[in-house]
Amino acid sequence: GPKVLQIPSHQIIDMGQMVTLNCDPVSNHLYFYWYKQILGQQMEFLVNFYNGKVMEKSKLFKDQFSVERPDGSYFTLKIQPTALEDSAVYFCASSPGPRNTLYFGAGTRLSVL
Amino acid sequence: GDSVTQTEGLVTLTEGLPVMLNCTYQSTYSPFLFWYVQHLNEAPKLLLKSFTDNKRPEHQGFHATLHKSSSSFHLQKSSAQLSDSALYYCALNTGNYKYVFGAGTRLKVIA
Repeated sequence: GPKVLQIPSHQIIDMGQMVTLNCDPVSNHLYFYWYKQILGQQMEFLVNFYNGKVMEKSKLFKDQFSVERPDGSYFTLKIQPTALEDSAVYFCASSPGPRNTLYFGAGTRLSVL
Repeated sequence: GDSVTQTEGLVTLTEGLPVMLNCTYQSTYSPFLFWYVQHLNEAPKLLLKSFTDNKRPEHQGFHATLHKSSSSFHLQKSSAQLSDSALYYCALNTGNYKYVFGAGTRLKVIA
């Protein structure tokens, strides 16, 4: 089936540094999402993105977070600066359109020390 | 507003017994429901989704029926297997880009 790729699979970073998580969505998909999952807890919505714009974001999407997809390349989540509570697995997902299946990547495990 | 409720946080079953995981929803517009399954250390994957023509979706022995009268989309399987142990999410889409996920139900199947 369609594949969403996330790079890297694991990132270790010192608190206060910047990190960029990369997502290569399914090629013909138009809607992109980031979800956060703390170890052992439920998956929580962060943000969705369409046509170059953030459509909706949750309270978890702090001011230190930003997303972009320059020129149809990777869909990125940047955190600057990072905090200890940002440690989690971040899942990227994409969808071709409304009412369609969300396809998830394997996730990036972010460890903030 | 739109919401999804999964009442059970953890369901523990003996292998061979039937499975039923509850999902109810509130939707402003015509709902489209999904079940996703997440095995340990893996990404969530689609298990099944509701059809617009009221057919009952089935996959890997699981099935679910959308009941608009009771706003429910419960997940069922006649006989649990050890490999069914996972986290199950019910999700709602109301016709646009927005997906609302429930809190998830962890299914633990024991021998």
